[in-house]
Amino acid sequence: AQSVAQPEDQVNVAEGNPLTVKCTYSVSGNPYLFWYVQYPNRGLQFLLKYITGDNLVKGSYGFEAEFNKSQTSFHLKKPSALVSDSALYFCAVRFSGSARQLTFGSGTQLTVLP
Amino acid sequence: GAGVSQSPSNKVTEKGKDVELRCDPISGHTALYWYRQRLGQGLEFLIYFQGNSAPDKSGLPSDRFSAERTGESVSTLTIQRTQQEDSAVYLCASSPTVGGGQPQHFGDGTRLSIL
Repeated sequence: AQSVAQPEDQVNVAEGNPLTVKCTYSVSGNPYLFWYVQYPNRGLQFLLKYITGDNLVKGSYGFEAEFNKSQTSFHLKKPSALVSDSALYFCAVRFSGSARQLTFGSGTQLTVLP
Repeated sequence: GAGVSQSPSNKVTEKGKDVELRCDPISGHTALYWYRQRLGQGLEFLIYFQGNSAPDKSGLPSDRFSAERTGESVSTLTIQRTQQEDSAVYLCASSPTVGGGQPQHFGDGTRLSIL
C-alpha cells in the first residue's frame, strides 16, 4: 500500500543548531514529494517540492530537503534553526499515475528553544 | 484575491443542523481540493474538483457530505445532519491544474464545532 510516514510527533532543537524533520514513503513508481508548514490557526504553507532532478532541493525560509530513493526518504533540514521556525510540519506525497490529491503524513511539531 | 479564501473562519452549530462551508480559490486555478483536519491529526482528503467536475468522491466520509463548484470558481462543502464527529478544521486548497508537481495553495480553513 502507498503511504507516507513522519516517525516523530515532536522534535525539539536549540536555536542556532541544525534541524531535521524526517519523512519516509512507501510507493511503487516515482512520487512527487512536498513539505508544508502550518502555524497555529492557519492553513498550510508550501515550503518545497521534489519532482525530478537534483536530489537536494532548496525552498522557502532557508529550508532544504534531500530525496533519497534507496531509503525512500525526504527529510527536511535547515542548517541553523530559528525560534520562529517553531510550527507543525507536514510531508506530503502525490503518487504519480494515481489519484490527484496529496497524501499527508501525520505531522511533526517542531519546537525551537531559545 | 491573492490567496485561497474560506468562510466562515469559525462555525459553531448544534448537532443535527446542516452547515455550508465556502471556498474561494485563487483566480484561474482549475483544481480545487477539500481536506479535513481533526485535532492533532494530519489531513484527510475529502474531494477534488477539476473545473466544475468532481471525478473522485471516494474520500467523502458519508452521504451526509456533499460538495459542488460553479463557474470554475467558488466551491461549497455541505454537511447535513451534523454529528459531533464532524468537528474539525476543513481546509480548501487550489492549484493551477490537477496533478503533476504543482503545489497546492491552502486557505486558513473553517473551524467547525458541533455541540
